[in-house]
Amino acid sequence: KAGVTQTPRYLIKTRGQQVTLSCSPISGHRSVSWYQQTPGQGLQFLFEYFSETQRNKGNFPGRFSGRQFSNSRSEMNVSTLELGDSALYLCASSLEVLYEQYFGPGTRLTVT
Amino acid sequence: AQKITQTQPGMFVQEKEAVTLDCTYDTSDPSYGLFWYKQPSSGEMIFLIYQGSYDQQNATEGRYSLNFQKARKSANLVISASQLGDSAMYFCAMRESAGGTSYGKLTFGQGTILTVHP
Repeated sequence: KAGVTQTPRYLIKTRGQQVTLSCSPISGHRSVSWYQQTPGQGLQFLFEYFSETQRNKGNFPGRFSGRQFSNSRSEMNVSTLELGDSALYLCASSLEVLYEQYFGPGTRLTVT
Repeated sequence: AQKITQTQPGMFVQEKEAVTLDCTYDTSDPSYGLFWYKQPSSGEMIFLIYQGSYDQQNATEGRYSLNFQKARKSANLVISASQLGDSAMYFCAMRESAGGTSYGKLTFGQGTILTVHP
């Protein structure tokens, strides 16, 4: 069974631009969560989607948004990028919300 | 207040020996889950082991076991027979039910870097 896949793996953007990251969960998994990892703040929860609905959102500004499609694939979007948005963005999927989460390899975003 | 505390920024262990990574947590939720993940330098988070708050027995998965002491709110990871490939960052994480509103959210500790020496 294929694991969680994230595209692209690496991304370089300029301040003010916007970016869209994609996550394909493990087949059959309906819950997708997103996390931001930085050296200073560690791992922080962004949001979680289940059956195309955002069920939970972390403490991030409105520039961070996401969505989930009917095939459970998810995208997250960051608008008006800031230097502080440089981070490893990790996507995780689980069979149901109460099950363990399996992470993808992450997208490393660099904002210059 | 920190919900998950990992007090060991770095740990060293000799190959084939056992090592314990500490994790304490803080929650008033009676229903919660505790997880350990391994993150090698490649960046991918690898699920290791899970312990539910109502589980009577400590969780074990191969060389990994979780020393769950509910009253002390600790969930230490024990790795037996360390291998060179165990060198990585290890994260303790918690999921609270919060009345069903936080199921998909994991709160992570700051991590412990484990180095296994040959």
